[in-house]
Amino acid sequence: DQQVKQNSPSLSVQEGRISILNCDYTNSMFDYFLWYKKYPAEGPTFLISISSIKDKNEDGRFTVFLNKSAKHLSLHIVPSQPGDSAVYFCAARGTQGGSEKLVFGKGTKLTVNP
Amino acid sequence: GAGVSQTPSNKVTEKGKYVELRCDPISGHTALYWYRQSLGQGPEFLIYFQGTGAADDSGLPNDRFFAVRPEGSVSTLKIQRTERGDSAVYLCASSSLAGGPREQFFGPGTRLTVL
Repeated sequence: DQQVKQNSPSLSVQEGRISILNCDYTNSMFDYFLWYKKYPAEGPTFLISISSIKDKNEDGRFTVFLNKSAKHLSLHIVPSQPGDSAVYFCAARGTQGGSEKLVFGKGTKLTVNP
Repeated sequence: GAGVSQTPSNKVTEKGKYVELRCDPISGHTALYWYRQSLGQGPEFLIYFQGTGAADDSGLPNDRFFAVRPEGSVSTLKIQRTERGDSAVYLCASSSLAGGPREQFFGPGTRLTVL
């Protein structure tokens, strides 16, 4: 039973265009959602987060939108750059029982073409 | 060091052997986590330490897996009687638990291959 789903295994966009990565979740108890970026042979790197009480958070070229009623969030990257090519993971944190564990989706591989 | 470090970076072992994987968290981070990532999957939670104690070990798949953090800093993940299905990248992360998102900072991982 996957609590965090990234239904698109891959996405390809042109440099300068917008990249939109999507994520769905099933557990209403998640309090924070985080996006991580991963290059091959490296650990995931934190990118941006959003609290469950917000609907938007922006940091430079990266914006995350949260639609709680639809249990859906998306990461927008604009303008996309070739260096953004990586695997992006959506993660959710639930603090039930005092745990800080993150639940990850399977990831979306983004390719930005020059 | 500035980031989370993990050793070894690669470990090849034979089925049935015992392995230890080490994690050095960011200095001062009280929380430490172990995740496992299989091919084509996202990281999967194994265990979470708050200081020296395991606050949540619900992700450990069975009793062959064990982790310690005796002094509240370095942690070791121990796997007994390894099986081929244990092959994966084992990721360690740490966090200061400060701020709202309390983001976790990941190390580069240890790639474990069980032959």
